[in-house]
Amino acid sequence: QKEVEQNSGPLSVPEGAIASLNCTYSDRGSQSFFWYRQYSGKSPELIMFIYSNGDKEDGRFTAQLNKASQYVSLLIRDSQPSDSATYLCAVKRPNAGKSTFGDGTTLTVKP
Amino acid sequence: DAGVIQSPRHEVTEMGQEVTLRCKPISGHNSLFWYRQTMMRGLELLIYFNNNVPIDDSGMPEDRFSAKMPNASFSTLKIQPSEPRDSAVYFCASSLLWQGLGTEAFFGQGTRLTVV
Repeated sequence: QKEVEQNSGPLSVPEGAIASLNCTYSDRGSQSFFWYRQYSGKSPELIMFIYSNGDKEDGRFTAQLNKASQYVSLLIRDSQPSDSATYLCAVKRPNAGKSTFGDGTTLTVKP
Repeated sequence: DAGVIQSPRHEVTEMGQEVTLRCKPISGHNSLFWYRQTMMRGLELLIYFNNNVPIDDSGMPEDRFSAKMPNASFSTLKIQPSEPRDSAVYFCASSLLWQGLGTEAFFGQGTRLTVV
C-alpha cells in the first residue's frame, strides 16, 4: 500500500461543475496536508494547505480533512478549463522536513 | 525573491557522460529537496537536506547519483555515468522547517534530462 493514494483519473468534468479530488494516507501521525497543481510541462505549485479537521475555503477551492478517516479532499467549484491539470496531494509528519506525495489525479475541465 | 532557481533547464547528453544539475533555493529556507519525475513513477524524492546536511538519501537510485549542499544557497545533483533510464525531469524544491512545522515546498522550474 502506498503511503499516499490518489485516484489516478483522468477525471473529466464539464465547465461550471464541481470537481472532487480525493486522497487517503496511511500514516496516522501526519499533521500537514497540501494540494499542489501541476500544469503539463510545469512544476508543481501549492494551491491549498490544511492542518485541522474540517473545511478550509479559498476562493473556488475547498480542502477537507478528516484525520479519523485519514482522508483529505479538494473541491473545485465552478470548474474552469484553466483548472485542467494534475493535482498532487502531499502529506507531512510533525518535525519532518519532507512531504510524501501521491501520484496525482489528472483533471480535465471540458468547455 | 526569484524563487528556486535550477540550471540548466534542458540537458541532452550521451550515455556514460557525467551530468551535473544545479539548484539555488529560496533565501532563508533551510530544507532542500531533489525530486525526479517520470510518467511511470511519478514524483520521487531522491534526497533531502536540512541545514545543508543530508537527512534522507534513501531515494537515491544507486551509487551513480550523488548530491551535495556546500552552503545554504547552492546544491548539486550529479549523475556519473548517466544512462538512458535516468531521463526524467529533475526538480529541486525548498521549504522552511520551523518549530516542528514545515511549510510547503516551493519548486524550481525543473531540469529536463535526456540521456541518449
